[in-house]
Amino acid sequence: DTGVSQDPRHKITKRGQNVTFRCDPISEHNRLYWYRQTLGQGPEFLTYFQNEAQLEKSRLLSDRFSAERPKGSFSTLEIQRTEQGDSAMYLCASSSSFGQTNSPLHFGNGTRLTVT
Amino acid sequence: GDSVTQMEGPVTLSEEAFLTINCTYTATGYPSLFWYVQYPGEGLQLLLKATKADDKGSNKGFEATYRKETTSFHLEKGSVQVSDSAVYFCALSVETSYDKVIFGPGTSLSVIP
Repeated sequence: DTGVSQDPRHKITKRGQNVTFRCDPISEHNRLYWYRQTLGQGPEFLTYFQNEAQLEKSRLLSDRFSAERPKGSFSTLEIQRTEQGDSAMYLCASSSSFGQTNSPLHFGNGTRLTVT
Repeated sequence: GDSVTQMEGPVTLSEEAFLTINCTYTATGYPSLFWYVQYPGEGLQLLLKATKADDKGSNKGFEATYRKETTSFHLEKGSVQVSDSAVYFCALSVETSYDKVIFGPGTSLSVIP
């Protein structure tokens, strides 16, 4: 179990640029989640994948945001035309639907985005 | 909608003091309840959970009891250590077909020697 890996750890970009983040979940986990966390707040749910299917998107996820999980393994989160309000920590988590219900989420260390 | 409220921090305690972090929730249906912890420089990790009323979750000396009548899940520890310094998040899992978790705002705890 190598844990959930996110890349990059930090990203600084100028307003209007596009950015893409990558998440590698725990290999045997079929569920993958993206969350966003701002300073002093708890993580806010963005989207969820079961295998390669994106099954839910939060209203927080504007049309500038897109997420993919093409082969049911790693996932990418792209933000187009970034705005200063997009500055946050983007967290990826994974879990397994096999066996117990309410499986704990395993989080990566996040990608911190700063939009200048 | 579903939500979690927890006491504001930061909380500062001396080593060996008793800890309580209050958490209340609002949910449609019957959620499962969790405490997650984020140590400095590390990712969020599950501390404990409870899936039905009157269940007590426990781990590393921390405990929390699922109280349906008061919609609460308060975190307690009898004697905190410096190594418990972290941010603690109360959370719930809605009754859907997957493990989507809704988090509270977090409570920062600092334990001083």
